[in-house]
Amino acid sequence: QKEVEQDPGPLSVPEGAIVSLNCTYSNSAFQYFMWYRQYSRKGPELLMYTYSSGNKEDGRFTAQVDKSSKYISLFIRDSQPSDSATYLCAMSHSGNTPLVFGKGTRLSVIA
Amino acid sequence: GAVVSQHPSWVICKSGTSVKIECRSLDFQATTMFWYRQFPKQSLMLMATSNEGSKATYEQGVEKDKFLINHASLTLSTLTVTSAHPEDSSFYICSAGFPDRGKYEQYFGPGTRLTVT
Repeated sequence: QKEVEQDPGPLSVPEGAIVSLNCTYSNSAFQYFMWYRQYSRKGPELLMYTYSSGNKEDGRFTAQVDKSSKYISLFIRDSQPSDSATYLCAMSHSGNTPLVFGKGTRLSVIA
Repeated sequence: GAVVSQHPSWVICKSGTSVKIECRSLDFQATTMFWYRQFPKQSLMLMATSNEGSKATYEQGVEKDKFLINHASLTLSTLTVTSAHPEDSSFYICSAGFPDRGKYEQYFGPGTRLTVT
């Protein structure tokens, strides 16, 4: 079993839809959880960062962490074509340790 | 927010030559930086952890003599791909976290695309 599992998609939704992306993990030592957006041939861009369990909202994006289920989610409301990208979940044990990534989910938002 | 830059963004080199990639943290000092490699349509794979003033820590399967990492200052880490071969062609990305500033999230550079012919 891989440390972090993420459905690679592709996921295609109409503009305006609510998108739900998620990852599961096996290592209970993970404390820091991040979501990155990566456009083709670009470096990952940090979208959301959460420490331990809970929810965090930033504009159209909401990140949820459920440590008891080892499950994290990213919700995108009112999705736009510009949201079309690969979304990577990542997590780490402490604040300055390497990230363990999911495979990434390719999202296409169709106008 | 914290910014990490990389240079060059794109490089083509001939097989057998060496290429140096720079990763700089702007605005913050980074005692630790991380180097990742990403092949097309795959996720990021950690290559090594770069520690300022000490030797880098390499992941299993990564040749330390081929991928030389130097972290000479708190704002600069370099990755040198020595005797590059076509199979080294990939997207190389660095990242840094800034826990001394209370920033436990990690920021990535824009990446360097290496093509070895």
